[in-house]
Amino acid sequence: EVQLVQSGAEVKKPGESLRISCKGSGYSFTSYWISWVRQMPGKGLEWMGRIDPSDSYTNYSPSFQGHVTISADKSISTAYLQWSSLKASDTAMYYCARAAADVWGQGTTVTVSS
Amino acid sequence: DVVMTQSPLSLPVTLGQPASISCRSSQSLVYSDGNTYLNWFQQRPGQSPRRLIYKVSNRDSGVPDRFSGSGSGTDFTLKISRVEAEDVGVYYCMQGTHWPWTFGQGTKVEIK
Repeated sequence: EVQLVQSGAEVKKPGESLRISCKGSGYSFTSYWISWVRQMPGKGLEWMGRIDPSDSYTNYSPSFQGHVTISADKSISTAYLQWSSLKASDTAMYYCARAAADVWGQGTTVTVSS
Repeated sequence: DVVMTQSPLSLPVTLGQPASISCRSSQSLVYSDGNTYLNWFQQRPGQSPRRLIYKVSNRDSGVPDRFSGSGSGTDFTLKISRVEAEDVGVYYCMQGTHWPWTFGQGTKVEIK
């Protein structure tokens, strides 16, 4: 079964760093891009960026460029989304999705609060 | 960015009746390879989004045939032939032709 399994919920303080993960299984991880999508509380979906796990080439939406970093470790079939300094406005659900979003992870809730 | 505009944003429907959601893009979604990368997603309450339709009119595996997609260029439609209780949720169109990919605002489908 093709799956994307994300890491668990996080509660952080403003200014802290964070990395969340998305592990693929049941398919060739390096054959499909992985994207990250943000959903703020009660709001719609926003495409953040994507990575080609075969060579770690990335594309970012201009809205998120410079605010987050997307990476991948193909040896363990895992993609990452990371922040160096969180803000309260980063509070959201974050989803990873494969390629043209045919498969989604279960989501990771990130709460940033002092 | 390509702006995706859905209507209506709220859609109360009677069980067994049809429903239709419109999605318009601010520019043509025809890619240089001739394909039109317009997808539809369903997000049930408390769940991850699920892709229903890809490239305008192709149903994903396991999607009931009461769901259908149509359209071309900048104008697209998702139709549910007979709404069932499990169809409650928010529906999003999404374009994958122009980077960054963008979603519509979402249409909330609820039972009257």
